[in-house]
Amino acid sequence: SYVLTQPPSVSVAPGKTARITCGGNNIGSKSVHWYQQKPGQAPVLVVYDDSDRPSGIPERFSGSNSGNTATLTISRVEAGDEADYYCQVWDSSSDHWVFGGGTKLTVL
Amino acid sequence: EVQLVQSGAEVKKPGESLKISCKGSGYSFTSYWIGWVRQMPGKGLEWMGIIYPGDSDTRYSPSFQGQVTISADKSISTAYLQWSSLKASDTAMYYCARLLSFGPFDYWGQGTLVTVSS
Repeated sequence: SYVLTQPPSVSVAPGKTARITCGGNNIGSKSVHWYQQKPGQAPVLVVYDDSDRPSGIPERFSGSNSGNTATLTISRVEAGDEADYYCQVWDSSSDHWVFGGGTKLTVL
Repeated sequence: EVQLVQSGAEVKKPGESLKISCKGSGYSFTSYWIGWVRQMPGKGLEWMGIIYPGDSDTRYSPSFQGQVTISADKSISTAYLQWSSLKASDTAMYYCARLLSFGPFDYWGQGTLVTVSS
């Protein structure tokens, strides 16, 4: 089955740029989606189809995807961005939906 | 406004059965797949399965095939997740979410906490 690998944690100072990676075999050929989950809340879609943002999501959130790595980039990080972030793809070969293990973003 | 409203928290004993629900509103319920996602305490998101309420076509993750049943009643715009015999390891938060065209899950329910304990 298809596996997505994320770093367990990323730390960043306020105002700086955070980059959260999601690794997978030839992930560049798939559409990658990213979710933000704050404690006690349901996940929220922040980037879909590699780099598109749902309405209401700040432009500070962006995504890219190439080769074996997809990246969620959060610019000008704020304290309110502290959360767990998950990547997700649909694996067409198995017709299964797959989540990465999640990355805890800490704002220092 | 698209909304998915899930049923309330449940406390059950091992071996008991359970059916939790997810009611959609604000969109055509029969035109979008609904997925179920498990989150065990302190852990990540796990895809369990999806259903297309229009014709009840259902797909399961191999990890959950045979362990749960996903169903839907399109007449009342509600999807269900059920267990016939709960185990302590089923203790988790369960989310339903609307699937956007085999892509992302764009709207999520608030979650249903299931606690299984003797």
